[in-house]
Amino acid sequence: AQSVTQLDSHVSVSEGTPVLLRCNYSSSYSPSLFWYVQHPNKGLQLLLKYTSAATLVKGINGFEAEFKKSETSFHLTKPSAHMSDAAEYFCVVLSFQGTYKYIFGTGTRLKVLA
Amino acid sequence: NAGVMQNPRHLVRRRGQEARLRCSPMKGHSHVYWYRQLPEEGLKFMVYLQKENIIDESGMPKERFSAEFPKEGPSILRIQQVVRGDSAAYFCASSTTSDNEQFFGPGTRLTVL
Repeated sequence: AQSVTQLDSHVSVSEGTPVLLRCNYSSSYSPSLFWYVQHPNKGLQLLLKYTSAATLVKGINGFEAEFKKSETSFHLTKPSAHMSDAAEYFCVVLSFQGTYKYIFGTGTRLKVLA
Repeated sequence: NAGVMQNPRHLVRRRGQEARLRCSPMKGHSHVYWYRQLPEEGLKFMVYLQKENIIDESGMPKERFSAEFPKEGPSILRIQQVVRGDSAAYFCASSTTSDNEQFFGPGTRLTVL
């Protein structure tokens, strides 16, 4: 069965510094992977998705993620953090277990310091 | 094209009452998913429906919870005889096909007193 592990439950960065949110996946075949962002008391917004095309995926708001099969990783990065990036980030794998379903990581809360 | 709509956004119920949560998928989407998010946790899959059919309910509690997606109208997640442990945010998502990205609604935050 597919799964994702988000290695950090909390990450703090200073405004203007790079962001790295880590995600490792487990899958017996080439997975579809997603990053979603959730602002406080809001729904989830898709940042980017990987579906076996280019391994470097660019998303919205300056975020990008690189699919590395050899490391089974799909880390989310941004060159320069903005205060508005403070939110919860979820790494998601599309799993097939009879039917397709999303399997969520436990989330990483990003704090941006002024 | 309006996004996924959920109502109510906030729902307060006393123990033993029923809660009905509604979800209208995006236009053209026939696949609907329900998730539950407990405080400080990620989202957990509950049920996947297509029009008039439950495709996968492996994440649904065996008792008190039911879901439907009728031919006309929104999808409904129904919780009977609510208990305090049902307090959570319930999110609905929709997609065009089962292997495509899902679009999420704003959620319904259920509080059981």
